[in-house]
Amino acid sequence: EPEVTQTPSHQVTQMGQEVILRCVPISNHLYFYWYRQILGQKVEFLVSFYNNEISEKSEIFDDQFSVERPDGSNFTLKIRSTKLEDSAMYFCASRGGRTGELFFGEGSRLTVL
Amino acid sequence: AQSVTQLDSHVSVSEGTPVLLRCNYSSSYSPSLFWYVQHPNKGLQLLLKYTSAATLVKGINGFEAEFKKSETSFHLTKPSAHMSDAAEYFCARGDNAGNMLTFGGGTRLMVKP
Repeated sequence: EPEVTQTPSHQVTQMGQEVILRCVPISNHLYFYWYRQILGQKVEFLVSFYNNEISEKSEIFDDQFSVERPDGSNFTLKIRSTKLEDSAMYFCASRGGRTGELFFGEGSRLTVL
Repeated sequence: AQSVTQLDSHVSVSEGTPVLLRCNYSSSYSPSLFWYVQHPNKGLQLLLKYTSAATLVKGINGFEAEFKKSETSFHLTKPSAHMSDAAEYFCARGDNAGNMLTFGGGTRLMVKP
């Protein structure tokens, strides 16, 4: 069964460092998303990406965040200068069409010290 | 703003007894509603979705949910709990553009032998 894969599964970093979280969406999907879940809190939408550009972003997704699809398979989330409050589980998701099922990866746990 | 409320953060049932996980949403014209399950160290898996067709929606693993517009509810049920059902369950609603999901706070289901 096709699946969304994310790397790394867990990353520990120092405050102020840059972090790149990687995702490989399902191969024929066109819509890509990042969500995050701070420990003990709700899963929150960060950004959606379609046709090589951001289609929507939340207020959480400020200038320190960026997304990129550098090749035909990867979809990355970059955090330029991490803060303690960026510690969370980050989920990548993809969808084939605009209203199809959203498939989630297993998440990347980011710990900022 | 759209919101989703899961009324119970924890639910504990005995194996073989019914499961009820409650979800209420803020009123909106024709919401799309979803239930996801998250097992430990796993991603979010879609259990079922409502998209303005039948009000009683059947999902995987014997779960069902009923859309009740008058109560703005979309509660998840299962007639008989199994040990493997122990997980975190998230109710979510989609926006009209299909870009983002708004999640509830989650309900941790514990199943006692």
